[in-house]
Amino acid sequence: AQKVTQAQTEISVVEKEDVTLDCVYETRDTTYYLFWYKQPPSGELVFLIRRNSFDEQNEISGRYSWNFQKSTSSFNFTITASQVVDSAVYFCALSRSGGGADGLTFGKGTHLIIQP
Amino acid sequence: EAGVAQSPRYKIIEKRQSVAFWCNPISGHATLYWYQQILGQGPKLLIQFQNNGVVDDSQLPKDRFSAERLKGVDSTLKIQPAKLEDSAVYLCASSLNREETQYFGPGTRLLVL
Repeated sequence: AQKVTQAQTEISVVEKEDVTLDCVYETRDTTYYLFWYKQPPSGELVFLIRRNSFDEQNEISGRYSWNFQKSTSSFNFTITASQVVDSAVYFCALSRSGGGADGLTFGKGTHLIIQP
Repeated sequence: EAGVAQSPRYKIIEKRQSVAFWCNPISGHATLYWYQQILGQGPKLLIQFQNNGVVDDSQLPKDRFSAERLKGVDSTLKIQPAKLEDSAVYLCASSLNREETQYFGPGTRLLVL
């Protein structure tokens, strides 16, 4: 069975601070994919990144960066110089396939509050 | 390119009533998913379609939930009769195929009283 744990229920920081959202996963599959989605107050889940289990390189996209470590089964997400617009619920998810063909297994989400 | 469309955005019904949600996926996307998101939790897959065929409905409560995608494009999710615990956001997602990234619609927020 697959499982995703996001231990941080809510994080509140002041604008311009850096913040890291933790994600720990469990799977027996040797091939799997990890995702991060953002859910702003409007409710729509916005895709941020997809990573397969064979690619452990860290990735940076603007102020966003992701740290994938198979040794600790973690896929953490860091926002540098946070902005108020980053306020949202962030979900980490796991799947056996690149598109989540068997359905994405989501964590419970981390509610990120960026205070001005 | 238009995103995934869902309607209605909000629905309030009383328990034991019926309700239906509609989803129009991104044009050309063969795979369509329905998820249920209860407050404070991550979305949970209910059913997955590939074109007009069901690929996975193992987590769909079939005694009260049904879904169809008759022409392989739009999809409808129905609850009959609704229970209090069905109060949730129902999200529709689509992908080009089963190996590609899922894109989500805005969801339908259901409140059962």
